[in-house]
Amino acid sequence: DQQVKQNSPSLSVQEGRISILNCDYTNSMFDYFLWYKKYPAEGPTFLISISSIKDKNEDGRFTVFLNKSAKHLSLHIVPSQPGDSAVYFCAASLSGGSNYKLTFGKGTLLTVNP
Amino acid sequence: ETGVTQTPRHLVMGMTNKKSLKCEQHLGHNAMYWYKQSAKKPLELMFVYNFKEQTENNSVPSRFSPECPNSSHLFLHLHTLQPEDSALYLCASSHPADEQFFGPGTRLTVL
Repeated sequence: DQQVKQNSPSLSVQEGRISILNCDYTNSMFDYFLWYKKYPAEGPTFLISISSIKDKNEDGRFTVFLNKSAKHLSLHIVPSQPGDSAVYFCAASLSGGSNYKLTFGKGTLLTVNP
Repeated sequence: ETGVTQTPRHLVMGMTNKKSLKCEQHLGHNAMYWYKQSAKKPLELMFVYNFKEQTENNSVPSRFSPECPNSSHLFLHLHTLQPEDSALYLCASSHPADEQFFGPGTRLTVL
């Protein structure tokens, strides 16, 4: 049973517009969430994270929102650029000194069209 | 060489072969990980090493045997694999309780 779900396998947006990638989780014990980006033939690259004590974290064009009551997080990319085209993975973990164990979603392929 | 490197990048092996995957990190991290990504499935954590000690084995079959001789190197020894073991095998490293940095992966095909 998947504990981290990315229900949209793909998303296509126009350059300059907002990209919103969604992620749901089922384990209420998760308290640390991350987004990774993956280009073909490369490993996933860390993008941004958020702790459960926050509901928003921003880094440049990337913002992650966390809704604990809904067990939902989202990644907003504004403005979207063609170079953002990649697979985006949501991941969740338990911290408390050992957030070694990441549980990943299946990923969402984002395509940003020029 | 910087970051996390993995060799080989591609590997084709028969079910009776024995092969090893290698991972090396140049980031000064003390935790290293093996993940498996099968087609249309999420990345699945296989093993975790913390300061060279195995701290996690996620119910991985014994035909996969990890080895961590030091904090910079991690191996995954493979023997008598099955075709369903064909997947992308990713290595990662991190400081304890910090985000993980991934290598490019080894694409394994078992015939």
